[in-house]
Amino acid sequence: IAGITQAPTSQILAAGRRMTLRCTQDMRHNAMYWYRQDLGLGLRLIHYSNTAGTTGKGEVPDGYSVSRANTDDFPLTLASAVPSQTSVYFCASSDFDSSSYNEQFFGPGTRLTVL
Amino acid sequence: GQNIDQPTEMTATEGAIVQINCTYQTSGFNGLFWYQQHAGEAPTFLSYNVLDGLEEKGRFSSFLSRSKGYSYLLLKELQMKDSASYLCAATDSNYQLIWGAGTKLIIKP
Repeated sequence: IAGITQAPTSQILAAGRRMTLRCTQDMRHNAMYWYRQDLGLGLRLIHYSNTAGTTGKGEVPDGYSVSRANTDDFPLTLASAVPSQTSVYFCASSDFDSSSYNEQFFGPGTRLTVL
Repeated sequence: GQNIDQPTEMTATEGAIVQINCTYQTSGFNGLFWYQQHAGEAPTFLSYNVLDGLEEKGRFSSFLSRSKGYSYLLLKELQMKDSASYLCAATDSNYQLIWGAGTKLIIKP
């Protein structure tokens, strides 16, 4: 693995179903993020984790949950998908340090369609 | 509130120069990023400014004025491969990135 991987690449999901988007990084970054990107709205932060074992809510957390059991993995779960969750989802990571800048590296994205 | 404003779309000619502006308003400020995103791909890092002034990196330069809450990305000698969206993002007091909606740059031959 080099960088950040996401799975699946794309998915069509029936409304009401549960879905987990996977994200794995091998850069040993302490911080990880989940964004959704919708046309005309830019990237919006869903959840983040500044270090393994901790998570925080972003701008649009409702309907989503995350866990950070270890440094490398940061799965995003939709407990009961709704059509408004149709979007492109990007996972990102950074070597977060409050005394320095926070360049984020992005995975290739997951295109999710909820019908 | 927190807000990032940038033009939705710009058009420029191959070989020319284009300036993409960004204004920001955040709770605290710890730097400004520019990212490039080609259609269907992930954003990739272009530049970072935390102090006032111009940062030059090859054909790309980025400028910051903290007092005016303003930045621009300058692209010189435009090439067709520069056709992409350019995302402005400001770091807030919690060091989280607040993103603009992006500027789609169309390059014409």
